[in-house]
Amino acid sequence: EPEVTQTPSHQVTQMGQEVILRCVPISNHLYFYWYRQILGQKVEFLVSFYNNEISEKSEIFDDQFSVERPDGSNFTLKIRSTKLEDSAMYFCASSGARGQPQHFGDGTRLSIL
Amino acid sequence: DQQVKQNSPSLSVQEGRISILNCDYTNSMFDYFLWYKKYPAEGPTFLISISSIKDKNEDGRFTVFLNKSAKHLSLHIVPSQPGDSAVYFCAAIRSGSARQLTFGSGTQLTVLP
Repeated sequence: EPEVTQTPSHQVTQMGQEVILRCVPISNHLYFYWYRQILGQKVEFLVSFYNNEISEKSEIFDDQFSVERPDGSNFTLKIRSTKLEDSAMYFCASSGARGQPQHFGDGTRLSIL
Repeated sequence: DQQVKQNSPSLSVQEGRISILNCDYTNSMFDYFLWYKKYPAEGPTFLISISSIKDKNEDGRFTVFLNKSAKHLSLHIVPSQPGDSAVYFCAAIRSGSARQLTFGSGTQLTVLP
């Protein structure tokens, strides 16, 4: 069964550095999402992406964050000038059509030191 | 953000019995609801969904019930199996949105052999 794959599985970064989290959505999917889960908290929506542009973003997704689909397969989340509170599990998800359920990757654990 | 609430952080059930997981929501604009299952170190896996125009959807051992007037949904698993032990998340989608998920806090289900 096709899967959403995320790399790396764990990223450790010094505060203030930039990180790029990578995702390969399911190949024929058109809708892409990033979520995060801070330890002990709910899974929270960050941003949705369709047709090469952001379709919706949450209040969390401020100027520190950006997304890109640099080629036909990758979908990346960039976090500039990381802060301690950015430490979380980041999940990528994709769906094939608007009404279809989202499929999630196994996440990247981001640890900011 | 308490738009989707799962008030039971944990539930233990004997193998073969019924597991009932509950979820409440407050936003009347939600028009689609989903249940995801999550094992440790993995991403959420889609289980079953229901549109707001229905009150029941069944898929094998899993049935989701929706009570719109009470803004309540539940997931029934019959019969429960030890492999069902996981965290179960209720999620909702708002009408007119980019179909991003609003998650509950999850319920840890333990099925005892």
